[in-house]
Amino acid sequence: DGGITQSPKYLFRKEGQNVTLSCEQNLNHDAMYWYRQDPGQGLRLIYYSQIVNDFQKGDIAEGYSVSREKKESFPLTVTSAQKNPTAFYLCASEPPPGGHNEQFFGPGTRLTVL
Amino acid sequence: RKEVEQDPGPFNVPEGATVAFNCTYSNSASQSFFWYRQDCRKEPKLLMSVYSSGNEDGRFTAQLNRASQYISLLIRDSKLSDSATYLCVVTPWNRDDKIIFGKGTRLHILP
Repeated sequence: DGGITQSPKYLFRKEGQNVTLSCEQNLNHDAMYWYRQDPGQGLRLIYYSQIVNDFQKGDIAEGYSVSREKKESFPLTVTSAQKNPTAFYLCASEPPPGGHNEQFFGPGTRLTVL
Repeated sequence: RKEVEQDPGPFNVPEGATVAFNCTYSNSASQSFFWYRQDCRKEPKLLMSVYSSGNEDGRFTAQLNRASQYISLLIRDSKLSDSATYLCVVTPWNRDDKIIFGKGTRLHILP
């Protein structure tokens, strides 16, 4: 089955630690995105990548880093510089232009800083 | 004016009733429009695309009004399982511009 997966589902981190969230897709999509969602809030864009080896900052990139070495994978690192990292993190991918370009989401990772 | 605006709700609606949401967008050059559904502590899932001619999928009807820059979602004969947050999504013509998600409208269907 084609889809987009994220791991882990729940993640606990001590203050001062970097953590990496995994996002993998086998949909052959070029574009991938990372969003953050806080309780009762909308999605905020952290980083996005429209092609391998290229990515751009979103609206709230400070304290985060990404890489896009493979088409299928777009990991997100939450660094110790992120002052308020506790949130629900969602990864999404998007098919190539020509379709309706809706985004498909993974199940999310819930990060809690202890 | 915010890029995409939705009434946050919550809308508390008795089972079987009809409920309608609106969403306004500011960029007249927007290309595609969608409604997503998000259940509590889950990821958003595509509910339906929104076409200029309007489209219907069972109990759900979506409409687009480009002149007034809003889209709507109508749910008929609401079910308890319709309780969720409904996100309005707008995508630009220019692929370098970002897709915009509304903050969502919360719907509670009451038994």
